[in-house]
Amino acid sequence: ILNVEQSPQSLHVQEGDSTNFTCGFPSSNFYALHWYRWETAKSPEALFVMTLNGDEKKKGRISATLNTKEGYSYLYIKGSQPEDSATYLCALTGGTSYGKLTFGQGTILTVHP
Amino acid sequence: EAGVAQSPRYKIIEKRQSVAFWCNPISGHATLYWYQQILGQGPKLLIQFQNNGVVDDSQLPKDRFSAERLKGVDSTLKIQPAKLEDSAVYLCASTPSGYNEQFFGPGTRLTVL
Repeated sequence: ILNVEQSPQSLHVQEGDSTNFTCGFPSSNFYALHWYRWETAKSPEALFVMTLNGDEKKKGRISATLNTKEGYSYLYIKGSQPEDSATYLCALTGGTSYGKLTFGQGTILTVHP
Repeated sequence: EAGVAQSPRYKIIEKRQSVAFWCNPISGHATLYWYQQILGQGPKLLIQFQNNGVVDDSQLPKDRFSAERLKGVDSTLKIQPAKLEDSAVYLCASTPSGYNEQFFGPGTRLTVL
């Protein structure tokens, strides 16, 4: 059974602050690491899919890195805005999982104006 | 392109009652997933379909949960009878085939009283 751990569980920051979250996962049987943003009452939205050790991806003010050898990924948000308030989920696809996602428990981000 | 549709969005029932959820995936997507997200936890896979066949239902509580995807398009998930611990958000996701990015619907929030 794959175990994906996210930290912190929740985070409160002020508008303009930069922040980062961590996702830890077992480094064996790795296929891909996904980051999703889930706003209340909306569909989870894919941010990044990363497969290669050392991958770095960026979308606007949000970026992510991947270390498959040590089993972690970081998500960074630069200059947080109130609209960034959401639950950020990371999920692992294992090599023998037929594509199913194993999720961490999520990090709830609240950005205060 | 239309996204994944789910209905109802919200449902409140009493324990021991039955309930059904419906999912219409993105057109052409062969793989469909149902996830259960309990408050404070990450989404957990209940069942995965490839066209109208079941790929993985190892975490589906088969004594009370059932799911079908008869024509390989729409899917329904049923709970009969519901228990208090079934209170959760039920997410449907689809993808062209396993291991690709999954696209999620907005979920059905079930409250069992």
